[in-house]
Amino acid sequence: KAGVTQTPRYLIKTRGQQVTLSCSPISGHRSVSWYQQTPGQGLQFLFEYFSETQRNKGNFPGRFSGRQFSNSRSEMNVSTLELGDSALYLCASFRGRADTQYFGPGTRLTVL
Amino acid sequence: GQQLNQSPQSMFIQEGEDVSMNCTSSSIFNTWLWYKQDPGEGPVLLIALYKAGELTSNGRLTAQFGITRKDSFLNISASIPSDVGIYFCAGLYNTDKLIFGTGTRLQVFP
Repeated sequence: KAGVTQTPRYLIKTRGQQVTLSCSPISGHRSVSWYQQTPGQGLQFLFEYFSETQRNKGNFPGRFSGRQFSNSRSEMNVSTLELGDSALYLCASFRGRADTQYFGPGTRLTVL
Repeated sequence: GQQLNQSPQSMFIQEGEDVSMNCTSSSIFNTWLWYKQDPGEGPVLLIALYKAGELTSNGRLTAQFGITRKDSFLNISASIPSDVGIYFCAGLYNTDKLIFGTGTRLQVFP
């Protein structure tokens, strides 16, 4: 069974630009969560989607948004990029509530 | 953001030694998970714990869910070079929002 896929793996943007990251969950998994990982703040929860609905949201500004499609694939978008948005963005997929979460390889975003 | 207290922060050990790390929280959790992360990759699940007091093994790894539901430990026996990486604990309580520990960086010397 294929694992969680994230594209692109690496991205370089400049301040003020916007970016869209993509996540394809494990086949049969209907839930996707997104996390931001930085050296200073560690792994922080961004949001969670189940069946195209956002079920949980972390403490991030409105510039961070996401969505999920009917095939369970998910995208997250960051608008008006800031230097502090440089991070590894991780997507986790799972079947449903309280199920174990499996992570993708992440997208490394660098904002210059 | 919210994080679990994980210790030690880093460990430098010799190949063949046993390793122990733990995670504590002021809040209770229903599920404890242990992940390992290699540089530039996503965390990989090692062990999942679902009941207070549960002791679970996965090869050379053993983890326990504390009775109070506020802590967990991970032991690695007879360490090998490929055990190098960062180990994270993570907790879940009535949501699917994982709260992660601060990580333990393990270095194994031959």
